[in-house]
Amino acid sequence: GQQLNQSPQSMFIQEGEDVSMNCTSSSIFNTWLWYKQDPGEGPVLLIALYKAGELTSNGRLTAQFGITRKDSFLNISASIPSDVGIYFCAGPLPNAGGTSYGKLTFGQGTILTVHP
Amino acid sequence: KAGVTQTPRYLIKTRGQQVTLSCSPISGHRSVSWYQQTPGQGLQFLFEYFSETQRNKGNFPGRFSGRQFSNSRSEMNVSTLELGDSALYLCASSQDLGYGEQYFGPGTRLTVT
Repeated sequence: GQQLNQSPQSMFIQEGEDVSMNCTSSSIFNTWLWYKQDPGEGPVLLIALYKAGELTSNGRLTAQFGITRKDSFLNISASIPSDVGIYFCAGPLPNAGGTSYGKLTFGQGTILTVHP
Repeated sequence: KAGVTQTPRYLIKTRGQQVTLSCSPISGHRSVSWYQQTPGQGLQFLFEYFSETQRNKGNFPGRFSGRQFSNSRSEMNVSTLELGDSALYLCASSQDLGYGEQYFGPGTRLTVT
């Protein structure tokens, strides 16, 4: 089942507004990944985070790896119509045998709609 | 550098048939993972291959299988298709084992009628 809780489930915003979404887990993660998926396409990697407290930017996108290693957030500044899509957080879930980096667990996704 | 490619992009099959999907990873990437995406269950891990060996397997029935070739290309097979197997099947590649970033292909949309 899902190990990552992503919120909000959906957002409707005006072009130019800033957006914030987050992801939480009851388990500790060593890596947080943020993806964007357009309809009918595969997810595209936006940002990868590897250290607790790390803050990383990619253009108008900024993501942070929470200090507790159980959460992460993604901010989008000055949204534009092409930001529309579904945003997923994901990470390899550590288990008793060690972290399986090839096996990602995904959040439920945040559907972003941007009104021009 | 070319991205992950998947073929075919769309497929329609009937119940009871089998299907084979193909994935070519990014050049130089040696690890390939497969995921199933449905509206109800979201993105779920199927299996991971590295050096032609299955390294991880998700919680799917034995009808789902895969393999990896020496050039890192991978295939997955679903036998005795069921209506519930209708989904977007995504392949992702990463540089190596223990490397967190995975890059996804466009997916194969499978419809089972």
